[in-house]
Amino acid sequence: ETGVTQSPTHLIKTRGQQVTLRCSSQSGHNTVSWYQQALGQGPQFIFQYYREEENGRGNFPPRFSGLQFPNYSSELNVNALELDDSALYLCASSLAGTGDETQYFGPGTRLLVL
Amino acid sequence: QKEVEQNSGPLSVPEGAIASLNCTYSDRGSQSFFWYRQYSGKSPELIMSIYSNGDKEDGRFTAQLNKASQYVSLLIRDSQPSDSATYLCAVNRVPGNQFYFGTGTSLTVIP
Repeated sequence: ETGVTQSPTHLIKTRGQQVTLRCSSQSGHNTVSWYQQALGQGPQFIFQYYREEENGRGNFPPRFSGLQFPNYSSELNVNALELDDSALYLCASSLAGTGDETQYFGPGTRLLVL
Repeated sequence: QKEVEQNSGPLSVPEGAIASLNCTYSDRGSQSFFWYRQYSGKSPELIMSIYSNGDKEDGRFTAQLNKASQYVSLLIRDSQPSDSATYLCAVNRVPGNQFYFGTGTSLTVIP
């Protein structure tokens, strides 16, 4: 167990809907990264939050947005869902500025878009 | 060219054998390297990190890094059926920033 939690564990939505996924970082960590993992693929970086600001973004459209709160928890919002958004969404927490770059993953949220 | 490349396998080894997993990366400026294990339907869990050239051992696992060849490997000694999983190589180009993952190598340890 990494101490990173995510909710919900599973979610079914229909095309065009909006979804919010939540992540609580490991105690003491200040950085949260979000990844999308399609079946049979490695995780793909969506974006990262540090000190409540976006600190890097991967090749994902603007309908993917996020937030980080003062307690370092984070949300991932996806608007106008498409069928290809069906994937495992992973949150990872880390502690920036220590020289240890390890990211620890939560259990993930499995999203199915119908 | 992909940032991180792995042989997708599947790789099968008998119980007790050494499993060798390989990974290459494209950005010569990459600074930190990680191996994660992912069981089917679960999230990635860290096996080990390596930052400097050479070998790093942790129990049955040894990571090897060769920055000149842009190559990272993971050796699993005395492989056990419980080691059967997908192994993901991750590279961090910029400290504190995003990880680039390979597609993973599927390992099966045959009892």
